[in-house]
Amino acid sequence: ELKVEQNPLFLSMQEGKNYTIYCNYSTTSDRLYWYRQDPGKSLESLFVLLSNGAVKQEGRLMASLDTKARLSTLHITAAVHDLSATYFCAVGRGGTSYGKLTFGQGTILTVHP
Amino acid sequence: KAGVTQTPRYLIKTRGQQVTLSCSPISGHRSVSWYQQTPGQGLQFLFEYFSETQRNKGNFPGRFSGRQFSNSRSEMNVSTLELGDSALYLCASSLGQTQPYEQYFGPGTRLTVT
Repeated sequence: ELKVEQNPLFLSMQEGKNYTIYCNYSTTSDRLYWYRQDPGKSLESLFVLLSNGAVKQEGRLMASLDTKARLSTLHITAAVHDLSATYFCAVGRGGTSYGKLTFGQGTILTVHP
Repeated sequence: KAGVTQTPRYLIKTRGQQVTLSCSPISGHRSVSWYQQTPGQGLQFLFEYFSETQRNKGNFPGRFSGRQFSNSRSEMNVSTLELGDSALYLCASSLGQTQPYEQYFGPGTRLTVT
C-alpha cells in the first residue's frame, strides 16, 4: 500500500526566512503533486513533477523530485505572510490507478512578521 | 476557461438520509475523481470515473457510490448517512492519462450530518 508522509506537519516561520517541507513516499510512483489549501477553500495546484531530478519554481516556491530516494521537497525562499496555508503533497501512479492520488497529511505553514 | 464546479456548496442532512453531490469538470476533461477531506483522516480517495466507467475505487463502504454521464459530469451518492460522513467532498478533473497530468479541484461541497 502506498504511503505518503510529510514533515514537518506544523511550521512556524518568520518572514524573510527559508525553509523546506519534505514529502516521502513508500513505493514507485509516476507523478508527484504539490497543492496549497487556504482555510475553508479547495486545493490549488502548485506543481506536478514527473521525472527524477525534476525541479520547478514559481515565485518563492521551488519543488524538486528524487525518485530514487522517493523524496520530494518544497523549498520556501524569503517567506512572506501570504504564503501561510496548508501544503499537501500527493503521489499518483500509472496504469489503471491513474486517477487516484494518495495525499500526505499536510503541512500547516504560518508565516509571522 | 471555466473551472471545476460543484453543487451544492453546503448541505445539512440528518442521519439516515441520503445525499447526491454533483461535479462538472473542465470542458474536455474526461476523468473525474472524488475525495473526502476530514480533520481526522485527511484527504482520502473515494473513486474515479473515466468515460462513464469507474476506473478506481477507494476503501469506502458501499453506501458511497457514483456515476459519470456522457458529458463527463459526475455525481456521487451517499446513502444512510452517518455522523462520520460529515466532511468536505472534493472532486478533481483531468484530461485522463495524457500530459500535463494536472488534476484541478473544484470548490468542494461541505456536508454536515446531524
